[in-house]
Amino acid sequence: EDQVTQSPEALRLQEGESSSLNCSYTVSGLRGLFWYRQDPGKGPEFLFTLYSAGEEKEKERLKATLTKKESFLHITAPKPEDSATYLCAVQAHYNDYKLSFGAGTTVTVRA
Amino acid sequence: GAGVSQSPSNKVTEKGKDVELRCDPISGHTALYWYRQRLGQGLEFLIYFQGNSAPDKSGLPSDRFSAERTGESVSTLTIQRTQQEDSAVYLCASSFRGRDYGYTFGSGTRLTVV
Repeated sequence: EDQVTQSPEALRLQEGESSSLNCSYTVSGLRGLFWYRQDPGKGPEFLFTLYSAGEEKEKERLKATLTKKESFLHITAPKPEDSATYLCAVQAHYNDYKLSFGAGTTVTVRA
Repeated sequence: GAGVSQSPSNKVTEKGKDVELRCDPISGHTALYWYRQRLGQGLEFLIYFQGNSAPDKSGLPSDRFSAERTGESVSTLTIQRTQQEDSAVYLCASSFRGRDYGYTFGSGTRLTVV
């Protein structure tokens, strides 16, 4: 069974204080690893897909990286508007439509 | 529409009553998914529809749960004889099968069973 574990559960940052979120996974044949952002009362919003170890993707202050066992979401010089819950999900080759999600990391950035 | 639309946004129901949740996917998206999000937990897969193929119902937690979709249009998720443990946010998503930008989610229906 595919498993996704995210840490920490919650992260409080001062504006400008860079940090990283961790997503550890086990899956039989990774097809893709997905990062989403979820704001309160909203559905998750797609950020990135990573496919192979060593791959990196960036969007504004966010950078996602991937190894064979985990992915990191780095937040550089965060702003209050980066406050959200960040979700990680994996998709396997044997089941190329289903996403298995972690419980998320809730990030709060204080001004 | 421009996004995935779900209704109602909130639903409070009494234990034992049936509820029906609706999802209107993005026009042209062939794949539609239902997920459940309980407080503090990851999203749980419920069901997947792809065009006219047989749906993958493997995530439905009990026979009280059912879902329908006609072609590539609206889907309804029905929960019969609701229980308190059914309280959660029910999220619908749609996508093009095989495209790699992930799903587009709706804002969800928050179901509270009292």
